[in-house]
Amino acid sequence: DIVMTQSPDSLAVSLGERATINCKSSQSVLYSSNNKNYLAWYQQKPGQPPKLLIYWASTRESGVPDRFSGSGSGTDFTLTISSLQAEDVAVYYCQQCYTTPLTFGGGTKVEIK
Amino acid sequence: QITLKESGPTLVKPTQTLTLTCTFSGFSLSTSGVGVGWIRQPPGKALEWLALIYWDDDKNYSPSLKSRLTITKDTSKNQVVLTMTNMDPVDTATYYCAHRRAGQPLDYWGQGTLVTVSS
Repeated sequence: DIVMTQSPDSLAVSLGERATINCKSSQSVLYSSNNKNYLAWYQQKPGQPPKLLIYWASTRESGVPDRFSGSGSGTDFTLTISSLQAEDVAVYYCQQCYTTPLTFGGGTKVEIK
Repeated sequence: QITLKESGPTLVKPTQTLTLTCTFSGFSLSTSGVGVGWIRQPPGKALEWLALIYWDDDKNYSPSLKSRLTITKDTSKNQVVLTMTNMDPVDTATYYCAHRRAGQPLDYWGQGTLVTVSS
């Protein structure tokens, strides 16, 4: 199984400041034939299902604000919220969709400082 | 517009079998590349993928739960059913179903259904 490790477990950021979440996979999720990283990011607010934010490591899902961006390749990835808004308080998960079993990171809780 | 909704018992006893149904609309499970998956989340904990079924009836299971899981589809009813045998209190969780296209992430999710395992 590909193990996904997120850091930090939680972070508190002031409104308007940058939030950065890291995700590391135990093996590469880069598919060489199409040069795509099979890495997704989800946002989950309390009492709601996860919402897809980013796929292929850096492609924003339709309707996702451009303050959310993803980067990285191979085994190391980052989700950045460029200017934290109050509505961004949530838990964020990374997931590899390179192979089954699909695996998720442990989650990062983002709060307002 | 793609929607999915989970249904099933909210309470099951230890050793019983859980049967959950995902009823969906806005897509067909007979369309090439389309799949439906199940994911669970114990209270306050992380997401755990359980199983996937595709348009061609290909099935994938979590290795740690494979012996207890069965996923099936009824294309005519737009439903996917997950059964999990020998339920234990540690299986208490919110169970979600989600849409997937092959090679893509889980892009549409149901609201989830909380299943409690208790005698």
